[in-house]
Amino acid sequence: GAGVSQSPSNKVTEKGKDVELRCDPISGHTALYWYRQSLGQGLEFLIYFQGNSAPDKSGLPSDRFSAERTGGSVSTLTIQRTQQEDSAVYLCASSPPPSQYNEQFFGPGTRLTVL
Amino acid sequence: AQKVTQAQTEISVVEKEDVTLDCVYETRDTTYYLFWYKQPPSGELVFLIRRNSFDEQNEISGRYSWNFQKSTSSFNFTITASQVVDSAVYFCALRTENTGNQFYFGTGTSLTVIP
Repeated sequence: GAGVSQSPSNKVTEKGKDVELRCDPISGHTALYWYRQSLGQGLEFLIYFQGNSAPDKSGLPSDRFSAERTGGSVSTLTIQRTQQEDSAVYLCASSPPPSQYNEQFFGPGTRLTVL
Repeated sequence: AQKVTQAQTEISVVEKEDVTLDCVYETRDTTYYLFWYKQPPSGELVFLIRRNSFDEQNEISGRYSWNFQKSTSSFNFTITASQVVDSAVYFCALRTENTGNQFYFGTGTSLTVIP
């Protein structure tokens, strides 16, 4: 595909359930980012990957959040035992190398609603 | 520490008016990059511009212009002759040489252009 894709586009879950959010970056992009955007708020950095490694996990809000990236491509953000405060839009972005000079290309996001 | 401040939470203008969106950044690094993104109601962030810290030349692209001033740590964005399609949330972002690939986003300015 031409852009970053994310799935599902919408996810409604019950409190306490686990969810997995998927991101497919643009082919060839080495850096991948996850952000969270709560209603009417800015972007909250969660984690980024350079290749398959995550040098910076400082933004993950709790140990219920984890992410992995395989094959330098697809990434999955997992939220365990979801809470209502996890409700937000989760955005994924990728950057081509050399990543530090380039802008991020964003996906359409996954809207998560925890009931 | 790195920080981006967008003091204007919401702005409303009448179509054809000019509007300036403010962005003030903080960093101790001498090499850094500034970005503006547009998030229309559809939700997907769109890259608008990137400037590096060594290039203070202002840029104009159609009705858009950017004023980068290191002396005041500002990177303001002006839309001339605004149109309804400019209605969106606009984010300013910063990344620096010493913070690797992490982006720091402002909280965004919601612009409404009234026909």
